Amino acid sequence: GENVEQHPSTLSVQEGDSAVIKCTYSDSASNYFPWYKQELGKRPQLIIDIRSNVGEKKDQRIAVTLNKTAKHFSLHITETQPEDSAVYFCAASMGSSASKIIFGSGTRLSIRP
Amino acid sequence: DAGITQSPRHKVTETGTPVTLRCHQTENHRYMYWYRQDPGHGLRLIHYSYGVKDTDKGEVSDGYSVSRSKTEDFLLTLESATSSQTSVYFCAISGGVVSTRNTGELFFGEGSRLTVL
Repeated sequence: GENVEQHPSTLSVQEGDSAVIKCTYSDSASNYFPWYKQELGKRPQLIIDIRSNVGEKKDQRIAVTLNKTAKHFSLHITETQPEDSAVYFCAASMGSSASKIIFGSGTRLSIRP
Repeated sequence: DAGITQSPRHKVTETGTPVTLRCHQTENHRYMYWYRQDPGHGLRLIHYSYGVKDTDKGEVSDGYSVSRSKTEDFLLTLESATSSQTSVYFCAISGGVVSTRNTGELFFGEGSRLTVL
């Protein structure tokens, strides 16, 4: 079936440390992998995305890596700050037109001061 | 923020009654989506649309129907609401993943909280 698995479901890190969230996907034809951040009571918002023709993408303290062979991608947040506390969702495009966007179950990230 | 609005934002209804949620966009985006969000399950796709009158099922489509008679509106209908459909429903829009003119980003509405008693 079409699914995205995300781990861990909760993550607590010391401020300044790094956080890593991992996802696997089922559809080998998937070619677009976005990450969304959702703060409490807010709507999800895109923070970074990667397409299948690259293996890594960075944007300041955030990076995403993709291993298409293993159908695995990860979000890396370095030098974590209190404002990074939120729920993070990975997602993957599926279907013949790549327009079906399936999300993982989310990771609640808490930054300890 | 992208021009996307959901209505109603909050609704309480009784089991067995029909419910329609509306998503309206002013961005002329081709793709529109309905997701439900429940604790421990993340965002689950109910239905999505890739054009006027073109829709497809998502992961959890049973008990839901959709219609898109014009580009700007995407309606989600619960024909006979059940308590298991109590959730927060998010609409999202996108210019598409494949298009070279669009990033593939989903822009979400503010959500509609539905409680079925």
